[in-house]
Amino acid sequence: QQQVKQSPQSLIVQKGGISIINCAYENTAFDYFPWYQQFPGKGPALLIAIRPDVSEKKEGRFTISFNKSAKQFSLHIMDSQPGDSATYFCAASFYGQNFVFGPGTRLSVLP
Amino acid sequence: EAGVAQSPRYKIIEKRQSVAFWCNPISGHATLYWYQQILGQGPKLLIQFQNNGVVDDSQLPKDRFSAERLKGVDSTLKIQPAKLEDSAVYLCASRAGLAGNTGELFFGEGSRLTVL
Repeated sequence: QQQVKQSPQSLIVQKGGISIINCAYENTAFDYFPWYQQFPGKGPALLIAIRPDVSEKKEGRFTISFNKSAKQFSLHIMDSQPGDSATYFCAASFYGQNFVFGPGTRLSVLP
Repeated sequence: EAGVAQSPRYKIIEKRQSVAFWCNPISGHATLYWYQQILGQGPKLLIQFQNNGVVDDSQLPKDRFSAERLKGVDSTLKIQPAKLEDSAVYLCASRAGLAGNTGELFFGEGSRLTVL
């Protein structure tokens, strides 16, 4: 019940295309859903986050779509750039504790 | 603002040896986490501290792993004796808020352990 599932495992997108990564959770107690971006040799860094009281949040080229009834959320990267090539992790937490991470999606944006 | 500092960045040891990793969180951050990230996987929580008390250590292999956060500031994670399957990156993260107050996790660059 603590698990967060993530797909696809890897994704290849052409420059300028849309990258979409999906996550699903079981525990309805989760109340905070962040996405983290990790470059090789670096620690994960927060990209964007959403709470379950809204269905969408947009920050620049990055958008989270949240479907509370389906217990799913997704990250959309518009106008994908080679600099976006990284591993992306969705995560979930409740009550400010116990951040649970998905297995990650390795994104490659071709020039 | 200085980030989360970790050392050493890399460590290679033989199995059954011991190793210790150090973390200095962002100044003023009450909550500190140690995560284990095996190659190709997401970070897995090992232990969470709030100030100098343990909030969650349910996934810490206590027969070989130990961690402490004396004085509620920096923290040390120890593995003794190490096994081959402990090869991973050990990530330290900190967060300003206390339990019940969500907020951003700030990660260090990690300590990469290779057990031969």
